[in-house]
Amino acid sequence: QSVLTQPPSASGTPGQRVTISCSGSSSNIGSNYVYWYQQLPGTAPKLLIYSNNQRPSGVPDRFSGSKSGTSASLAISGLRSEDESDYYCAAWDDSLSGVVFGGGTKLTVL
Amino acid sequence: EVQVLESGGGLVQPGGSLRLSCAASGFSFSNSAMSWVRQSPGKGLEWVSGISGSGDSTYYADSMKGRVTVSRDNSKDTLYLQMNSLRVDDTAVYYCTKQEGYNWGGFDYWGQGTLVTVSS
Repeated sequence: QSVLTQPPSASGTPGQRVTISCSGSSSNIGSNYVYWYQQLPGTAPKLLIYSNNQRPSGVPDRFSGSKSGTSASLAISGLRSEDESDYYCAAWDDSLSGVVFGGGTKLTVL
Repeated sequence: EVQVLESGGGLVQPGGSLRLSCAASGFSFSNSAMSWVRQSPGKGLEWVSGISGSGDSTYYADSMKGRVTVSRDNSKDTLYLQMNSLRVDDTAVYYCTKQEGYNWGGFDYWGQGTLVTVSS
């Protein structure tokens, strides 16, 4: 059972906009930055969003992050087949004094 | 070019020990916090341990606290993870990661991972 809660799956058609949620608590998302990772099959994860809504260099602006209270969301607009991947959220947890991850969301592009 | 390269994984019996290493290059290692993140086969990501750039501060996940020790040698640009009393459920790919900025949770560079298999 992960500390951060994500839906196990999500789907969309090419060109569509999809969002993936990440729910936490006051000790993690509520008081710290949220990060998002993309993990393509058989590869190491890649940082997609940092500090709630910042994109590292090279990440397309189709990807965006937001946070409100103890929840966060990753939005992907203009969905493409290559976006089919696993997505994870993460945050520091003040109570655990450690980084916690969501269980991951498998995105399928129909 | 930033690179982090893990080594030291392998097959170990339950109760055994293993030391993972991570050689870093292409960035100021001593100014960067580092973490180990693992992924069991077919499962999600789990943060294992983190260490500040100076090595003065260390953090551990409850699941491995007391069984692992993270350390670093800034003169060699190398990160370590000493794992003891290994259990079958410690079987995973262990990733070495570099922290982005000053806040824990953002890992901007990942190694390719090293597989640790705990089995009799």
